[in-house]
Amino acid sequence: ELKVEQNPLFLSMQEGKNYTIYCNYSTTSDRLYWYRQDPGKSLESLFVLLSNGAVKQEGRLMASLDTKARLSTLHITAAVHDLSATYFCAVDGGGNQFYFGTGTSLTVIP
Amino acid sequence: DTGVSQDPRHKITKRGQNVTFRCDPISEHNRLYWYRQTLGQGPEFLTYFQNEAQLEKSRLLSDRFSAERPKGSFSTLEIQRTEQGDSAMYLCASSFGTGYYGYTFGSGTRLTVV
Repeated sequence: ELKVEQNPLFLSMQEGKNYTIYCNYSTTSDRLYWYRQDPGKSLESLFVLLSNGAVKQEGRLMASLDTKARLSTLHITAAVHDLSATYFCAVDGGGNQFYFGTGTSLTVIP
Repeated sequence: DTGVSQDPRHKITKRGQNVTFRCDPISEHNRLYWYRQTLGQGPEFLTYFQNEAQLEKSRLLSDRFSAERPKGSFSTLEIQRTEQGDSAMYLCASSFGTGYYGYTFGSGTRLTVV
């Protein structure tokens, strides 16, 4: 079974700082997705990465995918409070289901 | 039709009771998925449908769980003889095709078994 690991699990950062969340997965896949979840809410799609070397940016978030290293990163630039949420990466396990990481709970401190 | 709808949003039930949840996917999406999310964890796959056919079930889906999608549109997830361990958020998602561009998730049904 495909395993997906995220680190860190918890991240507390000050406004204005930069940080990176890492997502490693255990078997070959070239499709990876990032979602955001606010407390008690559902998952909101952030990025869709569909090939090796893919890089997507939206506002203060940038995601990349290295399929050879089985690694995706979510980089946060100049964090603001509104980014506080839990971030999940999900890997396509072959077209029938996604495998999710355990999530990274991000708190941005003013 | 602006998204995936789930009903109810919250359900509190006594142990041993049966519960049923409903999911209405995005109308043009032919695939529908059920996931379960417990506190502090990522969503875990339960089952998926392509049109009305249930094509895959996780081992997490015990005999007490049953899902249907009778006309290839809405879906129901029933849990019989609920246990405290069933307490979780049940998420429905839909996609067009294999979900190449990702899934759209509903708001979820939070189940609490007391």
